Amino acid sequence: VLTQSPDFQSVAPKEIVTITCRASQSIGSNLHWYQQKPEQSPKLLIKFASQSISGVPSRFSGSGFGTDFTLTINSLEAEDAAVYFCHQTSSFPYTFGQGTKLEIK
Amino acid sequence: QVQLVESGGGSVNPGGSLTLSCAASGFFFPAYYMSWVRQAPGKGLEWVGNISQIGSDTSYTDSVRGRFTISRDNGRNLLFLHLASLRAEDTAVYYCATEYWGALDHWGQGSLVTVSS
Repeated sequence: VLTQSPDFQSVAPKEIVTITCRASQSIGSNLHWYQQKPEQSPKLLIKFASQSISGVPSRFSGSGFGTDFTLTINSLEAEDAAVYFCHQTSSFPYTFGQGTKLEIK
Repeated sequence: QVQLVESGGGSVNPGGSLTLSCAASGFFFPAYYMSWVRQAPGKGLEWVGNISQIGSDTSYTDSVRGRFTISRDNGRNLLFLHLASLRAEDTAVYYCATEYWGALDHWGQGSLVTVSS
């Protein structure tokens, strides 16, 4: 089971955002982060806990190993308003966190 | 560029069946694991299952195992999801996605399946 916190966050532009994802058992670095904007398909932001994805702005970063993981967004921009999901692929069935909705003030 | 286009969604009665297709282009389809993910209206993401490159291995989440079947046709660059014994709780947008060691790096636009009498 993956548990994200918080469920909702409202943050001003240029602030730093931290979203956490906790796994109920160790999953190593088999944890990925996605962004889903309204009416769009999800988009891969970070793979294997901390590996960046080509084309994703450098303000997005990830960290963690084992059971505790963090997605950090530096210098928040208006376009970052979205729901963010973590996803574990350590064991079947793969699972997602419940999502964190990020609102820009 | 990578393109995934789902089709086949629609409205179906409880207990009915439906087959979704996902047409892949812009990459070497036979080299990739493929996954299906669904999203009920206003809810989060749920991984449905995946299939290996040659289709020899499949895995499913518990709630669909025995009712849903994933298959592929590498000659035509097509991925399929056959949904059977459908329930109201299967109502969702169904996405296909490419897998890179589990990470879902490209997604289709989704196909809506509505189960209702």
